Amino acid sequence: AQKVTQAQTEISVVEKEDVTLDCVYETRDTTYYLFWYKQPPSGELVFLIRRNSFDEQNEISGRYSWNFQKSTSSFNFTITASQVVDSAVYFCALSSFQTGANNLFFGTGTRLTVIP
Amino acid sequence: GAGVSQSPSNKVTEKGKDVELRCDPISGHTALYWYRQSLGQGLEFLIYFQGNSAPDKSGLPSDRFSAERTGGSVSTLTIQRTQQEDSAVYLCASSTPGLAGVEQYFGPGTRLTVT
Repeated sequence: AQKVTQAQTEISVVEKEDVTLDCVYETRDTTYYLFWYKQPPSGELVFLIRRNSFDEQNEISGRYSWNFQKSTSSFNFTITASQVVDSAVYFCALSSFQTGANNLFFGTGTRLTVIP
Repeated sequence: GAGVSQSPSNKVTEKGKDVELRCDPISGHTALYWYRQSLGQGLEFLIYFQGNSAPDKSGLPSDRFSAERTGGSVSTLTIQRTQQEDSAVYLCASSTPGLAGVEQYFGPGTRLTVT
């Protein structure tokens, strides 16, 4: 079975603080993909990153960075020097060949509020 | 180019009525997905279309839900005899064909309220 857990329901930080959003996943597949999506107040999901299960190299994109650790089944997302525009709901998601399709299994999301 | 579009953006209906939600995918995307986002919940997969293949309906919650995709492009999600628990945001996504891991592009969603 596929499962994604985002234990943090809501997080509030003051602008310029760093913040880490946690994501823990479960799958029996050895080949799978992990995603992060951002959902701003407008409602439209925006793709942020995709990693496959064979690539544990961490990735940095500007103020965003991702830490993928298979040993702990985690794919955490860190925003450095947060800004008000980062306020959104962030979803972690999983897809794998076992599902037989491209449908994504999403976590319940973490609502991030950045206070100016 | 144009992104995924959905209509209507908001729909209020009375319990027991049927509703149709429409999705226009990105041109050239052969894969199309429907998801449901209920208040306080994550996104729940409903149905997946890939080209002319039989759709994956494994996520549809009941036989009141159905979807079709005409001409390999526009899709309509139909909910019959709506119930209050059907109130949610219905999101459509499209992608290029491929194996698991392809990026999905989401539309703005249709907010359905069943009174």
